[in-house]
Amino acid sequence: DVKVTQSSRYLVKRTGEKVFLECVQDMDHENMFWYRQDPGLGLRLIYFSYDVKMKEKGDIPEGYSVSREKKERFSLILESASTNQTSMYLCASSLPGGNSPLHFGNGTRLTVT
Amino acid sequence: GQQVMQIPQYQHVQEGEDFTTYCNSSTTLSNIQWYKQRPGGHPVFLIQLVKSGEVKKQKRLTFQFGEAKKNSSLHITATQTTDVGTYFCAGRNAGNMLTFGGGTRLMVKP
Repeated sequence: DVKVTQSSRYLVKRTGEKVFLECVQDMDHENMFWYRQDPGLGLRLIYFSYDVKMKEKGDIPEGYSVSREKKERFSLILESASTNQTSMYLCASSLPGGNSPLHFGNGTRLTVT
Repeated sequence: GQQVMQIPQYQHVQEGEDFTTYCNSSTTLSNIQWYKQRPGGHPVFLIQLVKSGEVKKQKRLTFQFGEAKKNSSLHITATQTTDVGTYFCAGRNAGNMLTFGGGTRLMVKP
């Protein structure tokens, strides 16, 4: 069974802080994704990666960056947290190809005060 | 860019009633996936539809993909309290990008 682990379930940070959200998957999946989930807006793609050291912008990359130094780990970085980045962040992984389902982590609820 | 609209946003039903959520894409899709997120949980993959007009069933759940591959629906027959959660569709376009709908939150009164 695929396991996608996010390092924190809840996180509270101050405006302007640099924030790291970590995600690790144990199924050797090539693809990894970061989404944010807000009520009524569904899941919006921030960044994704199809391979180590590779990254692509999703629909809402502004204010975020990512790092993928190892295949199993995909980190989301908020360079300078702002209150409008308060949200639920979900990491996902999948096999390559257009027919593979996403496997999600449990999410990190980030509050920026 | 591609947009995927899902309606309704919320639905309250009495246990035993049927439930349907609808998903509409602004562009033709190569496939569509459905996910369920229980309260406090994360989205879990339910099914994928690929062919025009495809219908798939999982027990009381029936999934349909429209003939034009731009819309889809999920129908639950005789809802149970275990069906509570938010149902998301996610449409994949020709560029292999997956776009999620806003989700339908289902609440079931026992």
